[in-house]
Amino acid sequence: DSGVTQTPKHLITATGQRVTLRCSPRSGDLSVYWYQQSLDQGLQFLIHYYNGEERAKGNILERFSAQQFPDLHSELNLSSLELGDSALYFCASSVGSGRALAIEQFFGPGTRLTVL
Amino acid sequence: GENVEQHPSTLSVQEGDSAVIKCTYSDSASNYFPWYKQELGKRPQLIIDIRSNVGEKKDQRIAVTLNKTAKHFSLHITETQPEDSAVYFCAASKDSGGSNYKLTFGKGTLLTVNP
Repeated sequence: DSGVTQTPKHLITATGQRVTLRCSPRSGDLSVYWYQQSLDQGLQFLIHYYNGEERAKGNILERFSAQQFPDLHSELNLSSLELGDSALYFCASSVGSGRALAIEQFFGPGTRLTVL
Repeated sequence: GENVEQHPSTLSVQEGDSAVIKCTYSDSASNYFPWYKQELGKRPQLIIDIRSNVGEKKDQRIAVTLNKTAKHFSLHITETQPEDSAVYFCAASKDSGGSNYKLTFGKGTLLTVNP
């Protein structure tokens, strides 16, 4: 158990719908990263938040958005869902400072999204 | 941006043998290289990592080596056991500003250890 939690574990929805994935980082971690894992694209970085602020975007579609709340949990919002959005979505957390030994990322169990 | 290539994509070994997985990266500024193990349907689990100021790191049966000049790093697993069977991912990272250390992953290696 990494100490990172994600809900829900599974999500089945229809095309065009909107869903919200939730992530709670390890206690004390300020950084939350979101990654998408699919068979064809592998593990890809989506977005990074540090202490409530967006710090970097990767291959994230405009239909997707995220935020990190004052209690440091994060939510990933996926809208106008398409079949190709079906994937495993992981969040990872780290302490996030520039100090040595503080940048390791620990992954949550993931949310498996199926769009029908 | 960074690009990480990983080989082989599949690797089958006999229990007790060694396994080696190799990765190359493109961005010479990358300075942090973790390895993750992912069992089917589970989360990626950090198993070992190495920073650019170190050439080799070992943790029991697992070791990682880094060649900064050639921009490649490798995972070595000795005395493999069936429970080592999983998909292994290498990744590269650097401080991209604002405390961002996003990981760029290789495509993964499916390791099968046959009893």
